[in-house]
Amino acid sequence: AQSVAQPEDQVNVAEGNPLTVKCTYSVSGNPYLFWYVQYPNRGLQFLLKYITGDNLVKGSYGFEAEFNKSQTSFHLKKPSALVSDSALYFCAVNGNNAGNMLTFGGGTRLMVKP
Amino acid sequence: EAQVTQNPRYLITVTGKKLTVTCSQNMNHEYMSWYRQDPGLGLRQIYYSMNVEVTDKGDVPEGYKVSRKEKRNFPLILESPSPNQTSLYFCASKRRMDSYEQYFGPGTRLTVT
Repeated sequence: AQSVAQPEDQVNVAEGNPLTVKCTYSVSGNPYLFWYVQYPNRGLQFLLKYITGDNLVKGSYGFEAEFNKSQTSFHLKKPSALVSDSALYFCAVNGNNAGNMLTFGGGTRLMVKP
Repeated sequence: EAQVTQNPRYLITVTGKKLTVTCSQNMNHEYMSWYRQDPGLGLRQIYYSMNVEVTDKGDVPEGYKVSRKEKRNFPLILESPSPNQTSLYFCASKRRMDSYEQYFGPGTRLTVT
């Protein structure tokens, strides 16, 4: 069975500082990895994905994520956090032999303070 | 505007009273699915549909039904709701089963007393 772990319930960072939201996964076969963001009272919005190729993928709103196969990780990063980045972030994985099933992590709340 | 819509957005009901949450997408997507979101558990898939008249169970299908009679609509039915179905529900769609990016609706917050 595939699974995703987001070890931090909440990440606090000061505006202008770099941020990292951690994600590790477990799948059979090659992983397809995703990050979604959820703002208050809104649905999930797609941020970025890793399917194949360059381990560093760039997404919306200046976010990027690094795929590390040996550590089975896909951490979300941003060089300079904004207060408006405060939201709930979800990592998700779909193993390539798991059909269409997308498995989500429990979510990490990012709080960016001015 | 391309979007997934859900109705109602908020619903409070009592145990055993049948309810339906509607979901509609205007992107001509083949694949649609329902998730529930619970604190600390992320999103868990309830049911999905690969196309009209084709549906299958996700991770947590117990107590739910779905139908896909038209491509754009994918209603979620709770025949006899129970308090453990109190949750935040999201509908999502994507172009095809093997597409990667899913589009999510705004969510329906359901409370069953």
